Amino acid sequence: SQQGEEDPQALSIQEGENATMNCSYKTSINNLQWYRQNSGRGLVHLILIRSNEREKHSGRLRVTLDTSKKSSSLLITASRAADTASYFCATDRWFQGAQKLVFGQGTRLTINP
Amino acid sequence: SQTIHQWPATLVQPVGSPLSLECTVEGTSNPNLYWYRQAAGRGLQLLFYSVGIGQISSEVPQNLSASRPQDRQFILSSKKLLLSDSGFYLCAWDLGLGNSPLHFGNGTRLTVT
Repeated sequence: SQQGEEDPQALSIQEGENATMNCSYKTSINNLQWYRQNSGRGLVHLILIRSNEREKHSGRLRVTLDTSKKSSSLLITASRAADTASYFCATDRWFQGAQKLVFGQGTRLTINP
Repeated sequence: SQTIHQWPATLVQPVGSPLSLECTVEGTSNPNLYWYRQAAGRGLQLLFYSVGIGQISSEVPQNLSASRPQDRQFILSSKKLLLSDSGFYLCAWDLGLGNSPLHFGNGTRLTVT
């Protein structure tokens, strides 16, 4: 079953605007990760936020985590056409030395030039 | 730097035929290796993972199997494909350390006809 659920499922904005995507999950987590997937390609890791962190930044990306609400958000500021992609949150669970990521269904982001 | 290779990029196979997808990682030793499947417009589902040569863990019962004959080689196989095996298959690796991200290959689009 899916642990993370992204909202919205699809988002279309104009270039230069900010894009916010939300993720909710059901059980306690160690870390929450965000990945990006261009159409027909593999996923690329964007950012990892630990359960004891509330906010993290990386370039134009800002991730927040609210463990009391079991939710996270990804903000992309000053969007560019190249940001067009699907974005997935994933919660991790380590078991016997391996990382089991449970992905949401993703938000499909379209940046219109 | 580390790289991951996955092939073929696309594959069309008839029902009942065998399958072999290969994944290799370069530039690192003793990585964890993973096979994920992504249904159209959906998130990823973990199929198999391996923490070492010859060690395979299966996440879901299915028509597929995995093997790790060498440290940096991971193979996904089936003896007889089903229509439901169609999907986008992604190989990934990590360092096996807490907070290490997954690094994905570019995937194989499998269509079973």
